[in-house]
Amino acid sequence: GAGVSQTPSNKVTEKGKYVELRCDPISGHTALYWYRQSLGQGPEFLIYFQGTGAADDSGLPNDRFFAVRPEGSVSTLKIQRTERGDSAVYLCASSLTHRGTTEAFFGQGTRLTVV
Amino acid sequence: AQSVSQHNHHVILSEAASLELGCNYSYGGTVNLFWYVQYPGQHLQLLLKYFSGDPLVKGIKGFEAEFIKSKFSFNLRKPSVQWSDTAEYFCAVNAGYGGSQGNLIFGKGTKLSVKP
Repeated sequence: GAGVSQTPSNKVTEKGKYVELRCDPISGHTALYWYRQSLGQGPEFLIYFQGTGAADDSGLPNDRFFAVRPEGSVSTLKIQRTERGDSAVYLCASSLTHRGTTEAFFGQGTRLTVV
Repeated sequence: AQSVSQHNHHVILSEAASLELGCNYSYGGTVNLFWYVQYPGQHLQLLLKYFSGDPLVKGIKGFEAEFIKSKFSFNLRKPSVQWSDTAEYFCAVNAGYGGSQGNLIFGKGTKLSVKP
């Protein structure tokens, strides 16, 4: 597709459930990023993939959060035992390379609500 | 750790007024600087960026920003705003080198409302 695609656009889940959020980056982009945006805040970095490997997962808040990118394209962010504090918009971005001078393109995000 | 501060949470202007949104960052090394914009219901889009060279950079839609290294600032300006500039504006920074140089650190954002 022309841009970064994220599905679903909205997800409501019950506390304690497991959720998966999907990101389909721009074709050919090797770097993929996940960010989380809470209400009234800017996006916060979670994890970055270069190809298939997680090159930096220092932003993941705890071990309930995990992400994969098995074939170097689509990525899935997985959240186990969801908590109300996980409610936020989860943003995915991709860029041609991981260099700091390369523009990152963002998807529209998945709004996760944990009730 | 790197951080970005945006001074204004919500700015309300009338059309044709001039705009300046403040952004300061804390990081001692080489940085790349960005302004992103999010129009209502849309995704984040790059407005402009600074990597090196002329500290006054021009972006899309008549926006510009000035990098002042001594003040660790990268303020966004537009001489005359339009109603269509109503959006949320985010300043961001990443490291100019290192294995995770692509990771962006964002400010909290400034919501701009332009009255017609």
